[in-house]
Amino acid sequence: NAGVTQTPKFQVLKTGQSMTLQCAQDMNHEYMSWYRQDPGMGLRLIHYSVGAGITDQGEVPNGYNVSRSTTEDFPLRLLSAAPSQTSVYFCASSYSRVGQNGYTFGSGTRLTVV
Amino acid sequence: SQQGEEDPQALSIQEGENATMNCSYKTSINNLQWYRQNSGRGLVHLILIRSNEREKHSGRLRVTLDTSKKSSSLLITASRAADTASYFCAPSNKLTFGGGTRVLVKP
Repeated sequence: NAGVTQTPKFQVLKTGQSMTLQCAQDMNHEYMSWYRQDPGMGLRLIHYSVGAGITDQGEVPNGYNVSRSTTEDFPLRLLSAAPSQTSVYFCASSYSRVGQNGYTFGSGTRLTVV
Repeated sequence: SQQGEEDPQALSIQEGENATMNCSYKTSINNLQWYRQNSGRGLVHLILIRSNEREKHSGRLRVTLDTSKKSSSLLITASRAADTASYFCAPSNKLTFGGGTRVLVKP
């Protein structure tokens, strides 16, 4: 089924550990992005990419790294997890940054840092 | 920031009633999008309205856009229990989101 696939769905980390959240899309979308959603805060943009090899920072990039080596994949790396990074993470993709046909979101990764 | 701000924060209505929520933003846009999020799920795209459009319909959804006031509204007619969700607006170009409007439709 075409769409955005995020793995894992749930993860518990200890403070200081590192991990990678995976995001893959099979719609040949150029634009991909990562958001975090905290209660009452809406979604905040972490990083985004307008195509393979191109990434840029969003509103809250500190503590996260991204890379875009292929059109399909856009992994998000937590370098040294902190309790403040406990959140739900969503990946989204679209044909273009403007999103003329809307953005497609994954089902999310629920991360808890203890 | 082009983040949209939704109003009200929460809305409770009876099934069959209409639900209206508003979105305000600060800078010029090319388009504005509305999304729905059911509890614990990802966002789902509902409708996009371009800056040169004033009104758009999709099924039971009606969206208006007033670029002079930098505001948009989403109307859900004849609401159903399945419409219970959070609704977000996203002004274009950078797709940032506000806190959303939480809609509860009571049967």
